[in-house]
Amino acid sequence: AQSVTQLGSHVSVSEGALVLLRCNYSSSVPPYLFWYVQYPNQGLQLLLKYTTGATLVKGINGFEAEFKKSETSFHLTKPSAHMSDAAEYFCAVSESSNYKLTFGKGTLLTVNP
Amino acid sequence: DAGVTQSPTHLIKTRGQHVTLRCSPISGHKSVSWYQQVLGQGPQFIFQYYEKEERGRGNFPDRFSARQFPNYSSELNVNALLLGDSALYLCASSRGMTTNEKLFFGSGTQLSVL
Repeated sequence: AQSVTQLGSHVSVSEGALVLLRCNYSSSVPPYLFWYVQYPNQGLQLLLKYTTGATLVKGINGFEAEFKKSETSFHLTKPSAHMSDAAEYFCAVSESSNYKLTFGKGTLLTVNP
Repeated sequence: DAGVTQSPTHLIKTRGQHVTLRCSPISGHKSVSWYQQVLGQGPQFIFQYYEKEERGRGNFPDRFSARQFPNYSSELNVNALLLGDSALYLCASSRGMTTNEKLFFGSGTQLSVL
């Protein structure tokens, strides 16, 4: 069965600092991997996804993630945090090409001025 | 274009009651999925519908049911409500049912069971 572990329920960074949100997954087959962002009182918005091909995936708003099969990881990074990045971030996995996603518990990102 | 719309936005019910949540997908989208998000947790998959047929079901009891209509809108029904059913229910739509397509989420229906 597929599962996702997000290390750190709360990450706090200063504006302009590197953002690193960690995600490890468990899957019995090559996974499809996703990062979503959720702003207060809103639904989830796709940041980026890995299906096949290049392991370094670039997404919206300057975020990127690298699929590392050997480490079963898909960490999300952004070189320089902006105040508007403050939100909750969810990593998700699917073992099939259908949208039956398993989400992690989320990481709340706080950006300090 | 309008995004995924869900109604109502908030709902308060008592234990044992029945509830119906509604979702209108983005125009042209034929797949609708439902997720339950309990406070402090990530969303959990409930159902996926494509072309009016159930294509996937998560680990939820039979009290949960759904359907998709010819116009691709969808309803999620929950019978015999329990306190633990209190959650944000998210609907998502995509053109097709595979990850080749982008999945768009609505803002959700906040259900409180008292």
